[in-house]
Amino acid sequence: DAKTTQPTSMDCAEGRAANLPCNHSTISGNEYVYWYRQIHSQGPQYIIHGLKNNETNEMASLIITEDRKSSTLILPHATLRDTAVYYCIVRVANKDQGGSEKLVFGKGTKLTVNP
Amino acid sequence: DAGVTQSPTHLIKTRGQHVTLRCSPISGHKSVSWYQQVLGQGPQFIFQYYEKEERGRGNFPDRFSARQFPNYSSELNVNALLLGDSALYLCASSRTVLVTQYFGPGTRLLVL
Repeated sequence: DAKTTQPTSMDCAEGRAANLPCNHSTISGNEYVYWYRQIHSQGPQYIIHGLKNNETNEMASLIITEDRKSSTLILPHATLRDTAVYYCIVRVANKDQGGSEKLVFGKGTKLTVNP
Repeated sequence: DAGVTQSPTHLIKTRGQHVTLRCSPISGHKSVSWYQQVLGQGPQFIFQYYEKEERGRGNFPDRFSARQFPNYSSELNVNALLLGDSALYLCASSRTVLVTQYFGPGTRLLVL
């Protein structure tokens, strides 16, 4: 059911930028792209989200292509603590139920930051 | 500010029993959603509640039920437990619907 495709795993050297890609070719015009990460056995942590424009916060940057069919999450200076599973999610809104929503998670990308 | 809290952190039950999991949302958040995460998979949506009303339901059997209280805390109930119900149960809160959800640490349920 996930509407996104991500690589299963990626490696990154500590201190370098980590660029995590995500394909969402069937995204609708009013659907947001969300990124969460999950460190082993903890709850998912919200990172960033966007609709059309690139976004940046204290954790990461989100680059969304002009056609919105793909995006990249950038961790500018990866640390060992950034080792986690990263989920790219298209937020599905169920307007039939008064605007409820559900986050549809895939399997995510396992990012390993190496010393 | 305190984040989403869940209790208990761990739980062991036997097949056929029932279980109640609890969630307290972030202060000011009126919506709570529940997710199930089995080992090796991403979380799967179970329910969303907003202002004490069910706003969404995932593809789970009727053995799963939930409710939201006037203080916006929530309970997830699972009856007639099966081995396959062993999972990490996650609660997420948001100010309203259709905005960012923030997750709690989860309750790890083991059914023997």
